[in-house]
Amino acid sequence: GAVVSQHPSRVICKSGTSVKIECRSLDFQATTMFWYRQFPKKSLMLMATSNEGSKATYEQGVEKDKFLINHASLTLSTLTVTSAHPEDSSFYICSARDLGLGTGNLAKNIQYFGAGTRLSVL
Amino acid sequence: AQKITQTQPGMFVQEKEAVTLDCTYDTSDPSYGLFWYKQPSSGEMIFLIYQGSYDQQNATEGRYSLNFQKARKSANLVISASQLGDSAMYFCAMRGEYNFNKFYFGSGTKLNVKP
Repeated sequence: GAVVSQHPSRVICKSGTSVKIECRSLDFQATTMFWYRQFPKKSLMLMATSNEGSKATYEQGVEKDKFLINHASLTLSTLTVTSAHPEDSSFYICSARDLGLGTGNLAKNIQYFGAGTRLSVL
Repeated sequence: AQKITQTQPGMFVQEKEAVTLDCTYDTSDPSYGLFWYKQPSSGEMIFLIYQGSYDQQNATEGRYSLNFQKARKSANLVISASQLGDSAMYFCAMRGEYNFNKFYFGSGTKLNVKP
């Protein structure tokens, strides 16, 4: 259980175009999803917290107009990198937190991660 | 403020031996959760083990165990009988009580298992 699917796994795009990344929780409902960015050989940097049915909460320094987040359902959040530039090239990874119900791992509010998306902007 | 420290940027271990990856944390929250994740070269973050701050016993999951020393604020991961497939980055993370959503990650430890 607790599978998070992230798509696409890799995308190459031209500068100025927009790229959409999807994050789906496959076997549990997630009112809250998270978007991270990871630079090579570095730790994860939280970009924003995505809340189902409401606006995302962005971390300081993250441009909300640049990184558009939509969390339209309990199983899907999307991150759109608008007007991408080479400096946006990075590894983006999402995670989902379960509702906190149930037993075992579900009760511990563990974040389950997708496989990540490697974005290259030419 | 919450902080996670992993002081070992890289570790080597011989196949079939045990290895300990260090993690210390700092928090003023009365309760918190500690996590370890594995990140292979493919990039996905794989949840390994969880320890709650009020758990009386150290967590274990198969070959993974967490050596939780609350007074010393350490949560070291022990991998027994290392396998070649254990070669990866390992991240320690913490979730506090008041900002339940936010995970704080350490800088990671790169583990290399030698045949």
